[in-house]
Amino acid sequence: EPEVTQTPSHQVTQMGQEVILRCVPISNHLYFYWYRQILGQKVEFLVSFYNNEISEKSEIFDDQFSVERPDGSNFTLKIRSTKLEDSAMYFCASSDRDKYEQYFGPGTRLTVT
Amino acid sequence: DAKTTQPTSMDCAEGRAANLPCNHSTISGNEYVYWYRQIHSQGPQYIIHGLKNNETNEMASLIITEDRKSSTLILPHATLRDTAVYYCIVRVGNSGYALNFGKGTSLLVTP
Repeated sequence: EPEVTQTPSHQVTQMGQEVILRCVPISNHLYFYWYRQILGQKVEFLVSFYNNEISEKSEIFDDQFSVERPDGSNFTLKIRSTKLEDSAMYFCASSDRDKYEQYFGPGTRLTVT
Repeated sequence: DAKTTQPTSMDCAEGRAANLPCNHSTISGNEYVYWYRQIHSQGPQYIIHGLKNNETNEMASLIITEDRKSSTLILPHATLRDTAVYYCIVRVGNSGYALNFGKGTSLLVTP
């Protein structure tokens, strides 16, 4: 069964550094998403992406964040200058045009020290 | 999106049916009811969704009341692997929209 994959599974970085989290969505899906979950808190929507542009974003997704689909398979989330409060599990998801369910990857645990 | 209300936690004995309720009294006519679950910090997993008719798939059944103000997710024969946080989410059915996760119901399946 096709699945969303994410790399790395765990990323440790120092405050102020840039990080790129990578995702490979399900191959025929057209909509891509990033969510995050701070330890012990609820899953929060960050951004959705369709047709090579952002279709929706939350208040969390400020200028420090950017997304890109650099080729036909990868979908990335970049955090320009990480802060301690960016420490969280980041989940990538994808969905098909005619099906409403979103399929999530296993997540990348980001630890900012 | 309409607000949902779920119990904080529930227990269920292994092999028995788990019935997870959700209230969504302000649901609009074009909003679907979705259920996802999250097993111990893994990525959320889609379970089922419905508009007004009851739905069943290989994982669960979804019962929506006639007035659509509440619904129940039924896991017919709960196993230990069904221990997870279950989220009831109401939103329009189009692709590309955010899922707004609440706190969900923490289901513990016991031996």
